[in-house]
Amino acid sequence: EPEVTQTPSHQVTQMGQEVILRCVPISNHLYFYWYRQILGQKVEFLVSFYNNEISEKSEIFDDQFSVERPDGSNFTLKIRSTKLEDSAMYFCASSEGTGNTGELFFGEGSRLTVL
Amino acid sequence: QKEVEQDPGPLSVPEGAIVSLNCTYSNSAFQYFMWYRQYSRKGPELLMYTYSSGNKEDGRFTAQVDKSSKYISLFIRDSQPSDSATYLCARPKGQNFVFGPGTRLSVLP
Repeated sequence: EPEVTQTPSHQVTQMGQEVILRCVPISNHLYFYWYRQILGQKVEFLVSFYNNEISEKSEIFDDQFSVERPDGSNFTLKIRSTKLEDSAMYFCASSEGTGNTGELFFGEGSRLTVL
Repeated sequence: QKEVEQDPGPLSVPEGAIVSLNCTYSNSAFQYFMWYRQYSRKGPELLMYTYSSGNKEDGRFTAQVDKSSKYISLFIRDSQPSDSATYLCARPKGQNFVFGPGTRLSVLP
């Protein structure tokens, strides 16, 4: 069964360092997303990506965040200068469609710990 | 105004019990809802979706929407320890999806 894969599964970094989280969405999906979940809190939308550009982003997704689809398979989230409050589980997801036609498939997540 | 609300639990039930998980939503225009299950330290996975009012059944799971009271329910029959997880209700919003905070369920053997 096709699945969304994410790397690394866990990353520990120092505050102020850059981090890149990687995702391989399901191959025939067109919409890609990053969500995050701070420990014990709800799953929060960060950004959606379609047709090689950001289609929607939340207030959380400020200038320190960026996304890229560098080739036909990878989808990355970069955090330029990490803060303590960026510590969370980051989930990549993909879907064939959006809204009423889209079912989200999530990866296993990348746990980011900022010290 | 929160869009989708859930009681965070935890909810503990004995194996075999019927479980009722609930969400409320704020806008009566919402018509499409989803239930996701999230095991500890894993990504959410879609259990089922439902459109507008009425029931939808899939095995031991039944999703129900009551538009008049803006209430979404997920029923689990013959609950198993493997059902122990956090259950998230969600709805589409623009090009993304909004999740409730989730209800943590423990099914005790």
